Amino acid sequence: AQKITQTQPGMFVQEKEAVTLDCTYDTSDPSYGLFWYKQPSSGEMIFLIYQGSYDQQNATEGRYSLNFQKARKSANLVISASQLGDSAMYFCAMRERTGGSYIPTFGRGTSLIVHP
Amino acid sequence: NAGVTQTPKFQVLKTGQSMTLQCAQDMNHEYMSWYRQDPGMGLRLIHYSVGAGITDQGEVPNGYNVSRSTTEDFPLRLLSAAPSQTSVYFCASRKSQRDTGLNTEAFFGQGTRLTVV
Repeated sequence: AQKITQTQPGMFVQEKEAVTLDCTYDTSDPSYGLFWYKQPSSGEMIFLIYQGSYDQQNATEGRYSLNFQKARKSANLVISASQLGDSAMYFCAMRERTGGSYIPTFGRGTSLIVHP
Repeated sequence: NAGVTQTPKFQVLKTGQSMTLQCAQDMNHEYMSWYRQDPGMGLRLIHYSVGAGITDQGEVPNGYNVSRSTTEDFPLRLLSAAPSQTSVYFCASRKSQRDTGLNTEAFFGQGTRLTVV
C-alpha cells in the first residue's frame, strides 16, 4: 500500500485563481512530518512547506498553505493567486520513524499547469 | 553557497558498465540519501546514510552500492548497469532531527540524468 497518495496526475488552473493539490497519507506513527516540494521543468526540487503531526495550526508560507486534516490523514496544498511560474510537478512527502531513522516517502506527484 | 552538488549531470552507459555518481554537500548535514525518479513513480529511495560510516537500504537498493567515508560525500555506485536503471538520480541532504526536530527539509542536488543502452 502506498504511504503517500496523490490522486491527481494533472491539474489545470487559470492564472490568479486558487488551486488545491490533494495528498493523503498512511502511517501508524503518532510523530511524523509532511512536506511539499515543487519541481519545475528545469528539474530541481524546491521545498515549499512543512506540517508537523503535532502542529495545531495549518502551515502557511506566502501563497502556499497546507490544509491539514489529521483525522482524515490528508495534507492538501493550497496555492492562492496562481502564477504562470507555478506550473510544475508537485510532490507530497511524509517523514516517519522507520527502524530508528526518519525516512521520507514521496508521492507520485501532481502536474500543475497554470493557464494565462 | 554550493549546497548539494551532483556530478555528472548527464551520463550514457552501455549495459554492463559500472560507474559512480558523485554527491557532495558543504552544509555539514548528517543525513544524505539517493533517490531515483521515474515517470509516474515519484521519487523512490535507493540508499541513505545517517552519518559517516553508516548506510542503509531504501525502497529500491538492488544494483546500487553506497559508502559514506566522510560527512561531505555520498557516492552511488552502479556495479553493472542495466537498462532498468535509466532514470534521473537525485542526491539529498539534511540536518539531523536530533538538532532540529522533524522540521528539517531536504536539500536536493540538481540531478543526474542516466541512460543505459
